[in-house]
Amino acid sequence: EAGVAQSPRYKIIEKRQSVAFWCNPISGHATLYWYQQILGQGPKLLIQFQNNGVVDDSQLPKDRFSAERLKGVDSTLKIQPAKLEDSAVYLCASSLKGESGYGYTFGSGTRLTVV
Amino acid sequence: QKEVEQNSGPLSVPEGAIASLNCTYSDRVSQSFFWYRQYSGKSPELIMSIYSNGDKEDGRFTAQLNKASQYVSLLIRDSQPSDSATYLCAVNTGGSYIPTFGRGTSLIVHP
Repeated sequence: EAGVAQSPRYKIIEKRQSVAFWCNPISGHATLYWYQQILGQGPKLLIQFQNNGVVDDSQLPKDRFSAERLKGVDSTLKIQPAKLEDSAVYLCASSLKGESGYGYTFGSGTRLTVV
Repeated sequence: QKEVEQNSGPLSVPEGAIASLNCTYSDRVSQSFFWYRQYSGKSPELIMSIYSNGDKEDGRFTAQLNKASQYVSLLIRDSQPSDSATYLCAVNTGGSYIPTFGRGTSLIVHP
């Protein structure tokens, strides 16, 4: 079974620039999550999709972050404009259903450095 | 604010010893509990889940849950250098399927 695919692996941008991350979940996984993990901290949920609908985006900084999941498969997360404090690893995860009892499968992440 | 607390460590144990990792949580209605392992520069990997009080064993790993005291622990028997990683505790409440992660405990197993 192919895992959760993410790209790019690394990205360095200047503050106030924009950046986009891509995620392709495990085939058949209806639920997709984007997490932000700052160095030394645990992952923090940014947004959860169920198919192509948003279930929870309460912790997404909507003034600069946006995400979409067209057709209920691939997803993109965008930051515009980026700030220094956005430097983190952005993890995409998917699960078969919304219930966390199935656990998450994380992608390899995108390490963003904002300079 | 739901809190999940872990000692950041590092916890250093000799090879072959038992490593004990602890996690406390603030929300009494929490129902699902998870341990993830994260190697440096890698993404978290689910290693254990537990839902009811008591112990759950899987190979060298044992998860222990005590809801009355609001803590969950992970024991790693016969620790190996390859177990050196950060271990993340994740907890979710009955009203949400979104787990809250702790900051993780760094484990170092030295030969």
